[in-house]
Amino acid sequence: NAGVTQTPKFRVLKTGQSMTLLCAQDMNHEYMYWYRQDPGMGLRLIHYSVGEGTTAKGEVPDGYNVSRLKKQNFLLGLESAAPSQTSVYFCASRDRRGSSYNEQFFGPGTRLTVL
Amino acid sequence: GESVGLHLPTLSVQEGDNSIINCAYSNSASDYFIWYKQESGKGPQFIIDIRSNMDKRQGQRVTVLLNKTVKHLSLQIAATQPGDSAVYFCAEIPPLNTDKLIFGTGTRLQVFP
Repeated sequence: NAGVTQTPKFRVLKTGQSMTLLCAQDMNHEYMYWYRQDPGMGLRLIHYSVGEGTTAKGEVPDGYNVSRLKKQNFLLGLESAAPSQTSVYFCASRDRRGSSYNEQFFGPGTRLTVL
Repeated sequence: GESVGLHLPTLSVQEGDNSIINCAYSNSASDYFIWYKQESGKGPQFIIDIRSNMDKRQGQRVTVLLNKTVKHLSLQIAATQPGDSAVYFCAEIPPLNTDKLIFGTGTRLQVFP
């Protein structure tokens, strides 16, 4: 199993450009999450999904949109990038039940710089 | 609002010693508390969790203690090894939305020989 993968690993954008970050998981998990992590800080939840076709806002959703058209994929979009969105973005997934109910599995991250 | 925080931003320990990483939380109604480890350049990795009806839980070389009276959580690592060097985050599952995690700001553990 590849676990949780993220594409791309690095990206540099100019202010106002748009892009989509892709997260894929092969563990058949129901729950998926997008976080951002700024230097010296913890992870802040942007959006999350509890199942295919559903999404919900997290703590810092402004400036981002998400889609969960397929169970294994969770896309994070930036319609008009701003320098304040420079960050490392992590995707995570979680099983809905079972002994690992509380365990979120994280991808390797995408480092995004907005100039 | 809800918040999870840490007392020490950086902890330096000698290899072989025990490490104690602390965390304060504010929501006394949270049901689960979780510790994650993040190595440089990687995503966080689950270490151990504890339910609010427990005081202590042990894993492999790690012990989590929960003191609900003072809303304090700690992670103890026995016989700390160089591979334990990382940033450690505590997180809580808030009572009003158990689909989410709220992360603290993290403590960096540095292990020196």
